[in-house]
Amino acid sequence: DADVTQTPRNRITKTGKRIMLECSQTKGHDRMYWYRQDPGLGLRLIYYSFDVKDINKGEISDGYSVSRQAQAKFSLSLESAIPNQTALYFCATSDFSGPADTQYFGPGTRLTVL
Amino acid sequence: AQSVTQLDSQVPVFEEAPVELRCNYSSSVSVYLFWYVQYPNQGLQLLLKYLSGSTLVKGINGFEAEFNKSQTSFHLRKPSVHISDTAEYFCAVSGTGGFKTIFGAGTRLFVKA
Repeated sequence: DADVTQTPRNRITKTGKRIMLECSQTKGHDRMYWYRQDPGLGLRLIYYSFDVKDINKGEISDGYSVSRQAQAKFSLSLESAIPNQTALYFCATSDFSGPADTQYFGPGTRLTVL
Repeated sequence: AQSVTQLDSQVPVFEEAPVELRCNYSSSVSVYLFWYVQYPNQGLQLLLKYLSGSTLVKGINGFEAEFNKSQTSFHLRKPSVHISDTAEYFCAVSGTGGFKTIFGAGTRLFVKA
């Protein structure tokens, strides 16, 4: 089984709809992240969480919210989806057990907002 | 703050040829450097990382990268590529005292038969 899973893998929705993307991990890591990937822009950080009670905004948090339901679960919500939120979304985890923060990524969710 | 520039958006190369994917970074503090690879329809996975010590870092699948502090570069190389190396490669940097990882825009490597 994959260590970091994301659901759904693909989603098409309409402008104005509320969408939730879910992420679960079995790695036992405390740190979790949500990124979006756009062609030519690489990955940009949306939100990150160091533990269940810690939520922090990333560089592009506007229009998004998150919930850390448990150590293993971190969900991303789009309260009112708009077309420029069409992107590939990745969840990642890390444990910072060493000197550097190696991240482990889920397979991604491809979101299309019409 | 850190930033990463990947100098090539796409690199086409023939099978068994050598390849170099270029990455420059900017930082006011000491950094850790990473290369991640994204195969089609998959998430990113770590290829290699530089923390300290030897400036030549070896990773998985025959890739290696060299840290050059004076040129603030961390170029990725492979002496002979395979069709299966076709993927997108991301250079990334994090400050040694921090946690946030900054990713470059990515370089698409196309290996042709």
